[in-house]
Amino acid sequence: DGGITQSPKYLFRKEGQNVTLSCEQNLNHDAMYWYRQDPGQGLRLIYYSQIVNDFQKGDIAEGYSVSREKKESFPLTVTSAQKNPTAFYLCASRDSNRGMNTEAFFGQGTRLTVV
Amino acid sequence: ILNVEQSPQSLHVQEGDSTNFTCSFPSSNFYALHWYRWETAKSPEALFVMTLNGDEKKKGRISATLNTKEGYSYLYIKGSQPEDSATYLCAFDYSSASKIIFGSGTRLSIRP
Repeated sequence: DGGITQSPKYLFRKEGQNVTLSCEQNLNHDAMYWYRQDPGQGLRLIYYSQIVNDFQKGDIAEGYSVSREKKESFPLTVTSAQKNPTAFYLCASRDSNRGMNTEAFFGQGTRLTVV
Repeated sequence: ILNVEQSPQSLHVQEGDSTNFTCSFPSSNFYALHWYRWETAKSPEALFVMTLNGDEKKKGRISATLNTKEGYSYLYIKGSQPEDSATYLCAFDYSSASKIIFGSGTRLSIRP
């Protein structure tokens, strides 16, 4: 079955530690995205990537880093510089080569708690 | 930072009633406008992607309209059912950069 897999579903880390969230897709999509959701808020864009080896900052990139070495994978690292890392993180992808009317597909999300 | 606004923030509707909510977005660098439904414990799923001014899309009891010149879109639900309870997100597809910016959502609750 094609889809987007995020792992793990729940993640606990101590303050000051870096942590990497995994996002893998087998949909052959070029574009991939990371969003963050806080209670009572919508999805805020952290980073996005249109093609392999290229990515752009979203609106809240500070304290995060990404890589896009493979088309299928877009891992997000939450660094110790991120002041409020506890949140729900969603990864998405879409087939940007089919034109401008393509929807995004989402993973199940990772809930990160930093203590 | 691009601003995508949704209103109202939350809505409580009686089963069987019809309802609608609004998404406003920048009218420049428009590429497409998306609507998603996000049910509790699930992933957001696309309802519509609209690209042309005046577009109207329909899926069952749900429909959407688009006005790119004034920068707004409406989502309508006719005859609300309990299964329509969800958060409805709109998203602005910005130029050709593949950047998608979401609004904060409208949380819809249907009372039986």
